[in-house]
Amino acid sequence: LAKTTQPISMDSYEGQEVNITCSHNNIATNDYITWYQQFPSQGPRFIIQGYKTKVTNEVASLFIPADRKSSTLSLPRVSLSDTAVYYCLVGDNNAGKSTFGDGTTLTVKP
Amino acid sequence: GAVVSQHPSRVICKSGTSVKIECRSLDFQATTMFWYRQFPKQSLMLMATSNEGSKATYEQGVEKDKFLINHASLTLSTLTVTSAHPEDSSFYICSANDGTGNTGELFFGEGSRLTVL
Repeated sequence: LAKTTQPISMDSYEGQEVNITCSHNNIATNDYITWYQQFPSQGPRFIIQGYKTKVTNEVASLFIPADRKSSTLSLPRVSLSDTAVYYCLVGDNNAGKSTFGDGTTLTVKP
Repeated sequence: GAVVSQHPSRVICKSGTSVKIECRSLDFQATTMFWYRQFPKQSLMLMATSNEGSKATYEQGVEKDKFLINHASLTLSTLTVTSAHPEDSSFYICSANDGTGNTGELFFGEGSRLTVL
């Protein structure tokens, strides 16, 4: 299983763009990169998934360099409600084995 | 997106009793579901993989006789914490894959907070 490394915490202010980088040096060829958001006492919620290059949806963008050894979740114009823990997962979800790392606690300040 | 529901969301029990937590996929069939536990300020730890119609696969260090998993149908998996003790108090979360997309995103339940007195 690919191990992931993320910053433990990040602070930001409302309206700013936030970029959270995840390192996954031993990512396998079949592995996808998925980011989840978790609020206290709730289950994680899917944000975005990608394999390579760039993926964008209505809430975030995911940048993956050619070597795929890292990825960056970009949250445009964050608000207070984006304060949460963000997890980067690497693996093949169909095989079931995606391991949660420590996650990044994002705190958005007014 | 697909919906996974857990019940109960909160449960308090006395030490020595058993507690059952249900995980249901509401609008899709899930041949595989996953159970996690999460302690305060910590990440999710995968406990076991629940397979419909067969035995669950437990992660190293997780006692299969203590955490009984049953996946009797394509929409329901249950986790029973047997002879619960205060150290079993935790947030238990399930997830399932609906099999769509590239690898299928995981859909998580709301979580069940177990407090053992």
